[in-house]
Amino acid sequence: GNSVTQMEGPVTLSEEAFLTINCTYTATGYPSLFWYVQYPGEGLQLLLKATKADDKGSNKGFEATYRKETTSFHLEKGSVQVSDSAVYFCALSGNQGGKLIFGQGTELSVKP
Amino acid sequence: DAGITQSPRHKVTETGTPVTLRCHQTENHRYMYWYRQDPGHGLRLIHYSYGVKDTDKGEVSDGYSVSRSKTEDFLLTLESATSSQTSVYFCAIKGYQGGGAYNEQFFGPGTRLTVL
Repeated sequence: GNSVTQMEGPVTLSEEAFLTINCTYTATGYPSLFWYVQYPGEGLQLLLKATKADDKGSNKGFEATYRKETTSFHLEKGSVQVSDSAVYFCALSGNQGGKLIFGQGTELSVKP
Repeated sequence: DAGITQSPRHKVTETGTPVTLRCHQTENHRYMYWYRQDPGHGLRLIHYSYGVKDTDKGEVSDGYSVSRSKTEDFLLTLESATSSQTSVYFCAIKGYQGGGAYNEQFFGPGTRLTVL
């Protein structure tokens, strides 16, 4: 079945450091890929998405490229801020009723 | 913000009691979902609905039932709560995209349930 694997956290960075959170997936067909972010005490918000191979999703300085050859969708940001501290979830949807399959989440803590 | 609310936001109950969580939307979206969030597991789908009275099971449906008698409300019921159902429950909604691959879901604020 479909699955998503993320790098384990927590990840602790200093402000302005470069961020990479790895995400790989297993899926049949051509899934859509997503990154969601959850700030403390809140629900999930869509951060960015990519719906086909080689698409690059981007938002708020974050980027991720849909790599079908390596089945990956790594999240990157060139310079993180304290306000980026949150839990980040990679997810895929195989168009089966729009159901999302999530990775386990990666907690990011950014220190001033 | 998508018009989606959950009630209650927090609940403490005892093992063996029935519990119902409510998800309410004002967006008239066709699809609604219930997930649970547990450390180390991310979010896992419990049940979902693709229309009024149309529901289906997710990957962790045992011990849960759902009902959707009108578009705006999706209820999750734990018939006899157990400690293993202590979790944070999220509702999500999604509109119908007409054959496209674009499946953005909008999430509610969550309900924290503790079963003693």
